[in-house]
Amino acid sequence: DTGVSQNPRHKITKRGQNVTFRCDPISEHNRLYWYRQTLGQGPEFLTYFQNEAQLEKSRLLSDRFSAERPKGSFSTLEIQRTEQGDSAMYLCASSLWEGRDVTNYGYTFGSGTRLTVV
Amino acid sequence: LAKTTQPISMDSYEGQEVNITCSHNNIATNDYITWYQQFPSQGPRFIIQGYKTKVTNEVASLFIPADRKSSTLSLPRVSLSDTAVYYCLVAFSYIPTFGRGTSLIVHP
Repeated sequence: DTGVSQNPRHKITKRGQNVTFRCDPISEHNRLYWYRQTLGQGPEFLTYFQNEAQLEKSRLLSDRFSAERPKGSFSTLEIQRTEQGDSAMYLCASSLWEGRDVTNYGYTFGSGTRLTVV
Repeated sequence: LAKTTQPISMDSYEGQEVNITCSHNNIATNDYITWYQQFPSQGPRFIIQGYKTKVTNEVASLFIPADRKSSTLSLPRVSLSDTAVYYCLVAFSYIPTFGRGTSLIVHP
């Protein structure tokens, strides 16, 4: 098990371009989460999947953002028509949810993809 | 409305014990309290998780009072490599939310 893998580690793009990030979670984890983090702030929740189903989306996730998790394995996060305000670290995390009555959130995070929009 | 409240920064010296307290007045009955550590340009790393009373692992202890409205992360004998941002995480409405965290600086 190599943990949560995110690619690319860094991405520089011009304003208006589309970008796509990939996350490979821990293989036995059925939940996958996307967060965004800007300098000096904590990670902000964007969306999460249980298997292939997208269960929750933050209001931060504008129409330009779309996430998929086909077949419940890896996930992609696409940003269309990037803006300078999209510059941030995009973090992916995964966890094993077994449906217990008491919720717990022991995520394993990847190292993130740092996006710079110029 | 802030969901968790922590000190923005703390300073300590090598070898000392560091206690970081997080306030979470609106914690729900089925929420766990989880603490993460983050170094620059890395994702957060799980440190410890608890529901009530005291939990201890090889790196930290977590103290949770009976009302569960706060929690304290205790790091024994910190070293320079413990310099990082520490986040207290409690799930609200099943959407886990990070605050700004506590920036801990350990001095020689």
